[in-house]
Amino acid sequence: EVQLVESGGGLVQPGGSLRLSCAASGLTFSSYWMGWVRQAPGKGLEWVANIKQDGSEKYYVDSVKGRFTISRDNAKNSLYLQMNILRADDTATYYCSRDQGALNAWGQGTQVTVSS
Amino acid sequence: DIVMTQSPDSLAVSLGERATINCKSSQTVFSSSNNKNYLAWYQQKPGQPPKLLIYRASSRESGVPDRFSGSGSGTDFTLTISSLQAEDVAVYYCQQYYTTPKTFGPGTKVDIK
Repeated sequence: EVQLVESGGGLVQPGGSLRLSCAASGLTFSSYWMGWVRQAPGKGLEWVANIKQDGSEKYYVDSVKGRFTISRDNAKNSLYLQMNILRADDTATYYCSRDQGALNAWGQGTQVTVSS
Repeated sequence: DIVMTQSPDSLAVSLGERATINCKSSQTVFSSSNNKNYLAWYQQKPGQPPKLLIYRASSRESGVPDRFSGSGSGTDFTLTISSLQAEDVAVYYCQQYYTTPKTFGPGTKVDIK
């Protein structure tokens, strides 16, 4: 069974940074694209970023370009999202997902709150 | 970016009746090179992450009940729940994965009438 477990969320001030992690198990992690999706409180889903199996290709939604960096460590079966210059509108639950075009496995999410 | 819209915003259906959700993309998500539509449907229940129901517009994900079906091509798609069950109360999202960013529709909330 595929398990994706996010961590690293929390309360941060505007302009601050956070690094989210996603620990993967039950799959050959290095064989899959992976990605992040977020959901603001009471709102819909927003695709954030994804990364190719070897990390050679990365794509981002415009609103996070230049501020967020997606990365992975295949030796540790882990996915990361470095979030810098955080803004109030980055407040959301962040989900890690396996990306096979459609997103066919999801973690439970980690909450990020940006507030002073 | 491809903009996804859904209708209705919400609907209430009696148990055992049909529920139909529509999704429209601002440009085609059909690839003529392989005859595939890059359109997925997800179900999200309160307090849970989304769950993939349908991919390639009409292929049911493993383990998804056959009362869920997807149809459509190009820019217009439909998710049908043929006989609504109590456990189907959720928000349903369509998503295109034809190109990045992989945009979602705003969601349709399904309730019991």
